[in-house]
Amino acid sequence: AQSVTQLDSQVPVFEEAPVELRCNYSSSVSVYLFWYVQYPNQGLQLLLKYLSGSTLVKGINGFEAEFNKSQTSFHLRKPSVHISDTAEYFCAVSERNSNYQLIWGAGTKLIIKP
Amino acid sequence: DGGITQSPKYLFRKEGQNVTLSCEQNLNHDAMYWYRQDPGQGLRLIYYSQIVNDFQKGDIAEGYSVSREKKESFPLTVTSAQKNPTAFYLCASSIEFRGTQHFGDGTRLSIL
Repeated sequence: AQSVTQLDSQVPVFEEAPVELRCNYSSSVSVYLFWYVQYPNQGLQLLLKYLSGSTLVKGINGFEAEFNKSQTSFHLRKPSVHISDTAEYFCAVSERNSNYQLIWGAGTKLIIKP
Repeated sequence: DGGITQSPKYLFRKEGQNVTLSCEQNLNHDAMYWYRQDPGQGLRLIYYSQIVNDFQKGDIAEGYSVSREKKESFPLTVTSAQKNPTAFYLCASSIEFRGTQHFGDGTRLSIL
């Protein structure tokens, strides 16, 4: 992957409202796709990943993401957020035929308003 | 419980000093990685190791060094050549190279 773009640096949303965090990537080959979550002063935890098969991927904590090959996107969604979802979310991409590692987006901070 | 342990959680470096960040994993993973995280940026790869006694430079290896003498350990040394070392450092491991990565809780390095 040449680059990964997370279109929003911050997303404020009211508690129990739905949320979508956007991720686009540029690559001319097949890719693996990941979403990680980082709580304050902690490491990253895998939310979900797309390797192959169904383009709708379900992860932990009620999150899901949809791979759209034509739009080179992998947006993360949750139908109803909670205060505990306050964190930073990172999208990452790895090209299948590359010897290189993950290419990371800059992150999106999810801010839950009570 | 299996996991990745990074120590110390906070570290301070004086000018001209080398410091070493510890990373230990008991997951029996072959591959290990070091990342640097700065505010508003994604993770940048410093070094990675696919197997014991082997490691490769990532995107920003200048001013850093590593060793991989044991499968479970992958220490990172921030040398005095790294002029802007203040950052959050994350260690990760995966069962095999390019596998799903598992992260430690990080070390925050600051300059005195």
